[in-house]
Amino acid sequence: DTEVTQTPKHLVMGMTNKKSLKCEQHMGHRAMYWYKQKAKKPPELMFVYSYEKLSINESVPSRFSPECPNSSLLNLHLHALQPEDSALYLCASSQVRLVVVPEQYFGPGTRLTVT
Amino acid sequence: SQQGEEDPQALSIQEGENATMNCSYKTSINNLQWYRQNSGRGLVHLILIRSNEREKHSGRLRVTLDTSKKSSSLLITASRAADTASYFCATMRGAGSYQLTFGKGTKLSVIP
Repeated sequence: DTEVTQTPKHLVMGMTNKKSLKCEQHMGHRAMYWYKQKAKKPPELMFVYSYEKLSINESVPSRFSPECPNSSLLNLHLHALQPEDSALYLCASSQVRLVVVPEQYFGPGTRLTVT
Repeated sequence: SQQGEEDPQALSIQEGENATMNCSYKTSINNLQWYRQNSGRGLVHLILIRSNEREKHSGRLRVTLDTSKKSSSLLITASRAADTASYFCATMRGAGSYQLTFGKGTKLSVIP
């Protein structure tokens, strides 16, 4: 199974709402990532989890809260978002390699609209 | 700052023609990767070329790497309408890092 799944596919939320994005993989990968992608731009890294521990936070605002409950699941909790946070949110996973950068497997993304 | 910069930003060709996309990067790498993204979807890993390799093939894809010029090219031969997508090169963030930094991408349109 080389698939990364993400739910929901689309999400519309108000600025006062609390919602969560979910990501799952069963490839035994121990690194998982959240990216944000605005229209016509490349993906921008938000968070990296390695062995279920947060290893990288790219100075993301606290209204985004990641969680890695186990080695297969990655969540992104959203609270008090702004309209400019509307974007495609991509989850990815990979093996953990400290010398050679591994290829990453991406989910289809969640299209988030903040109203 | 962006590690990779793709050239051209957009490319439109007829089906059956070859498409060439270029990528330049700034720091030393241990590998360079190419990804494809269909409109509004997730990225798909296409090919990885290591820093000690100069050329690599995978099906209709050919990737070259010139570490002296810090550049790479992706050639898609005999293009198909299904190749219409955005193509990104990606390199590691820095020495010892396993984070990827993506270039700005080339939007390829293949006209049937």
